[in-house]
Amino acid sequence: DVKVTQSSRYLVKRTGEKVFLECVQDMDHENMFWYRQDPGLGLRLIYFSYDVKMKEKGDIPEGYSVSREKKERFSLILESASTNQTSMYLCASTPGGQDSVQYFGPGTRLLVL
Amino acid sequence: EDQVTQSPEALRLQEGESSSLNCSYTVSGLRGLFWYRQDPGKGPEFLFTLYSAGEEKEKERLKATLTKKESFLHITAPKPEDSATYLCAVHPSNAGNNRKLIWGLGTSLAVNP
Repeated sequence: DVKVTQSSRYLVKRTGEKVFLECVQDMDHENMFWYRQDPGLGLRLIYFSYDVKMKEKGDIPEGYSVSREKKERFSLILESASTNQTSMYLCASTPGGQDSVQYFGPGTRLLVL
Repeated sequence: EDQVTQSPEALRLQEGESSSLNCSYTVSGLRGLFWYRQDPGKGPEFLFTLYSAGEEKEKERLKATLTKKESFLHITAPKPEDSATYLCAVHPSNAGNNRKLIWGLGTSLAVNP
């Protein structure tokens, strides 16, 4: 079974703090994604990576950055957390080739005060 | 513009009352359509992939079908444990080599005992 893990299930941070969310997958997948999910807005893509050290902006990259130093690990960084970044953050991975099914981690619920 | 629309937004059924969820899509070409189940506070769980019109997939009480414009998720004799949000996503042909999906907002299903 594909396993995608996220570093925290719940996180509370203060406005202005730098926040790191980590995601690890154990299936040697090429592609990894970070989404945020908010009521009424659905899943919105923040960033994705199709290879080590390669990244592309998604639909809402402002206020976020990412790092992919190793194939199995994809980190999302909130440079200076703001209250409008309070959300559920979901990481996903997908193999290369024809299979584009995305496998998700359990999510991190982030509250910024 | 590529778009995925799910209906209804919410559905309440009695245990044993069969029904269908709809996912209509507007994309230039379809590489794949995906159904996911999401329980509250958790990451989406993959259910099915459909690739071409006429294709059907089944798993327990769930059956997914695909036409050129929409997909249905049929739920036969549902049980309370089928209560969840069901998400639909498409992988358009013009996505190139990336694996970006276009997501619907989901249908929230509640099955009463």
